[in-house]
Amino acid sequence: NAGVMQNPRHLVRRRGQEARLRCSPMKGHSHVYWYRQLPEEGLKFMVYLQKENIIDESGMPKERFSAEFPKEGPSILRIQQVVRGDSAAYFCASSLAPVRDSPLHFGNGTRLTVT
Amino acid sequence: EDQVTQSPEALRLQEGESSSLNCSYTVSGLRGLFWYRQDPGKGPEFLFTLYSAGEEKEKERLKATLTKKESFLHITAPKPEDSATYLCAVQKTGANNLFFGTGTRLTVIP
Repeated sequence: NAGVMQNPRHLVRRRGQEARLRCSPMKGHSHVYWYRQLPEEGLKFMVYLQKENIIDESGMPKERFSAEFPKEGPSILRIQQVVRGDSAAYFCASSLAPVRDSPLHFGNGTRLTVT
Repeated sequence: EDQVTQSPEALRLQEGESSSLNCSYTVSGLRGLFWYRQDPGKGPEFLFTLYSAGEEKEKERLKATLTKKESFLHITAPKPEDSATYLCAVQKTGANNLFFGTGTRLTVIP
């Protein structure tokens, strides 16, 4: 049983470049969540998606960040024109049902470093 | 304002020395409280969900309890492999996401 798969594990980008983070949920899971973890801070919710739909993006910065979960393929978190403050670990989680009914299962994250 | 506070920030125990981790929360309408374990370089691993005051859940050396203001994660006779950061998270009624505390970093010394 493959868990939540995230790639790449590590990503280095120069300021101004684009970062694309990928997440394949657990088999059978159609609910995907993205969280960001800064050093010495807790996990912060960014966005909740179901297939082809953004359900809640209340935690996502209004500019430069976008997310999608297409009918086929992984979920993508895209950060345009990265800045040093974007350096963090980005975690994807998936669940069988909305989080109120089913626990979240996390991937091992993508560590983004902006130089 | 919603808040989740975990204490202590760090805890060092001798192997076999039982203790408790605390998670205090302030949230308007609790739907559920979650405990996760996170190892360095890994994603959080789900441990427990608690839904109502008085509820208890157990798994091996861990027991989680819930009151109206806080949750405890009791660790009985810990082993070095229990060393990890333990995260507490709450879900508000009607919310789509979990709100996490900053964790307790547990080190168990052989």
